[in-house]
Amino acid sequence: ETGVTQSPTHLIKTRGQQVTLRCSSQSGHNTVSWYQQALGQGPQFIFQYYREEENGRGNFPPRFSGLQFPNYSSELNVNALELDDSALYLCASSFHSQETQYFGPGTRLLVL
Amino acid sequence: GQQVMQIPQYQHVQEGEDFTTYCNSSTTLSNIQWYKQRPGGHPVFLIQLVKSGEVKKQKRLTFQFGEAKKNSSLHITATQTTDVGTYFCAGRKEDAGNMLTFGGGTRLMVKP
Repeated sequence: ETGVTQSPTHLIKTRGQQVTLRCSSQSGHNTVSWYQQALGQGPQFIFQYYREEENGRGNFPPRFSGLQFPNYSSELNVNALELDDSALYLCASSFHSQETQYFGPGTRLLVL
Repeated sequence: GQQVMQIPQYQHVQEGEDFTTYCNSSTTLSNIQWYKQRPGGHPVFLIQLVKSGEVKKQKRLTFQFGEAKKNSSLHITATQTTDVGTYFCAGRKEDAGNMLTFGGGTRLMVKP
C-alpha cells in the first residue's frame, strides 16, 4: 500500500452536476497530481499541486479545478459534468514535483 | 503536443515465455517511468530511467532507455501468471516540467 487514500471509491452523477473528489497524500509528500483514466487507456495528467499552488496543467477545460490544503491533501472539482467525464480518477503524491509518484486506489466516476 | 505510444496493445503468452513492450515518444524525454496496473487496481511504480542508454534490471524485468532518450522497453524473462496486468510507460518531456505523459499501455495475459 502507498499510503495515498482517495474518497469516495465510487460515485454516480448525472450530466450537468458537480462533483468533488478527495485525496490524502502519503505522509511527508507535498505534491499531489491528478489523472483521469478512461477505460482501456493510460492515465491523462489533469494538473499538479505543489505547496498549495497549481504547478502544471494538462489539456483539460477550466471546469476541472483543484485545491491543495496546508496538510497537502487535495480536492479535484468538476463542474457541469459530461458523459465523457466517466472514468477512474487517480491522485498521486510525491515528495517533490518531479520525484516518484505513488498512486492512490482511485475514484470511479460514472456520469449518466 | 507530446505523444507517447506503446506497442503492442495486447500480448498473450504461455507461462514461461518472454514478453517485451516498447514505448516511443515524439519528443526527447528527461526521464521515463514504468508502471504496472493489475485489473481493477491502480498504477504501481516499477522504475525510473534517466540516463541515455540506461539499462536497469529487477529480477526477471529488464528496462532500457534509448540513446536518444525517445524510446524505452520493458522485457520480462520467463513470464509467470503473477505478471498479468497492464504495463504503462510514462515520460517527462525535457521542457514540460512536471507533466507526466502516459502511453496507452500493453495488456499482458499469461496462460498457465
